[in-house]
Amino acid sequence: DAGVTQSPTHLIKTRGQQVTLRCSPKSGHDTVSWYQQALGQGPQFIFQYYEEEERQRGNFPDRFSGHQFPNYSSELNVNALLLGDSALYLCASSSPLVKATDTQYFGPGTRLTVL
Amino acid sequence: GDSVTQMEGPVTLSEEAFLTINCTYTATGYPSLFWYVQYPGEGLQLLLKATKADDKGSNKGFEATYRKETTSFHLEKGSVQVSDSAVYFCALSDQTGRRALTFGSGTRLQVQP
Repeated sequence: DAGVTQSPTHLIKTRGQQVTLRCSPKSGHDTVSWYQQALGQGPQFIFQYYEEEERQRGNFPDRFSGHQFPNYSSELNVNALLLGDSALYLCASSSPLVKATDTQYFGPGTRLTVL
Repeated sequence: GDSVTQMEGPVTLSEEAFLTINCTYTATGYPSLFWYVQYPGEGLQLLLKATKADDKGSNKGFEATYRKETTSFHLEKGSVQVSDSAVYFCALSDQTGRRALTFGSGTRLQVQP
């Protein structure tokens, strides 16, 4: 059973560019959440997608947007990159259908470096 | 809003020592509480959780008890190993655990042989 997968593993961009990160949820999960983890900090919630719609959003600017596909996979897009966007981006999946497994499971993350 | 406060690290222990990492929270209602662990270069792994007051979560020798009266969820282990060296995050979410997680800043544990 594959867990949460993310691609790419690492990414280097320059200021002002745009980036797309991808996530495939754990089998049986239909809810995807994205988090930003700056170096030495705890993860910060960006947003959550369920049934292809953004269900909840954290305190992030509109430069951060997302999408969920019918197969439950998800993308995180960041426009007009800033140096401060350099971080580890984590995807987590969960399922609202099985109460016993209502925990969020995390992928290995994508390390984004903005130069 | 919701918040989680963890003791600052790094915490350095010798193998077989007793571990406590303090975690307190501020939240409305009755949140679910979690401990996640992050090994070097990896994502977060769920270590244990508790969903209501007085529940004790446990896994791999680690345990934590949900204390509503003190709004705490301290992580303990009786005898740490070198392989326990990692960063530990305390987190909370709404009752279901399916909504946004609010994390503490993490505590780095270093276990020396």
